[in-house]
Amino acid sequence: AQKVTQAQTEISVVEKEDVTLDCVYETRDTTYYLFWYKQPPSGELVFLIRRNSFDEQNEISGRYSWNFQKSTSSFNFTITASQVVDSAVYFCALSEAAGGTSYGKLTFGQGTILTVHP
Amino acid sequence: DGGITQSPKYLFRKEGQNVTLSCEQNLNHDAMYWYRQDPGQGLRLIYYSQIVNDFQKGDIAEGYSVSREKKESFPLTVTSAQKNPTAFYLCASSMGRASRGYTFGSGTRLTVV
Repeated sequence: AQKVTQAQTEISVVEKEDVTLDCVYETRDTTYYLFWYKQPPSGELVFLIRRNSFDEQNEISGRYSWNFQKSTSSFNFTITASQVVDSAVYFCALSEAAGGTSYGKLTFGQGTILTVHP
Repeated sequence: DGGITQSPKYLFRKEGQNVTLSCEQNLNHDAMYWYRQDPGQGLRLIYYSQIVNDFQKGDIAEGYSVSREKKESFPLTVTSAQKNPTAFYLCASSMGRASRGYTFGSGTRLTVV
């Protein structure tokens, strides 16, 4: 069975600080996809990134960066120079690529509440 | 613009009543999903459907029912058998393969009064 763990329930930082959100996953599949979503107070999930299990290259998008390490089953998310608008709940999620009984289903972590203070 | 529409945004239900949450997509996606969100528990899968007229239970299906008579629609009924229905409900759709990504609706907040 798939499992995603976000050990940090809540993180509080001051604006301009860097912050890393941890994500550890479990799966028996060799092909899978990892996701990060942002959930602002409005409730809608905003897609941030998708990474497949064969691509371990780190990715940077503006102030956001992601570190994928298969050896430790981790997919951590770093926000550089955080801003108040980054305050939200962040979810890490895992999906098998195809086949099996979990076809296409996303398994979410518990979420990390990030609060950025001015 | 293509997307997923969930309605209503807020819903109040009296104990013992069934209530149906609407989810419509115009993305031509094959698969649709219902998730429930409770504080501190992330999103948990209730039901999912890969094709019309077929659906499977997720991790917390008890007290819920769904139908998939049309590709565009995947309504969720919260029955009186659901013991703790107050939660935020999110609908999603995908092409059925994780590589294609997922699209989420804006959610329905259900409160039992």
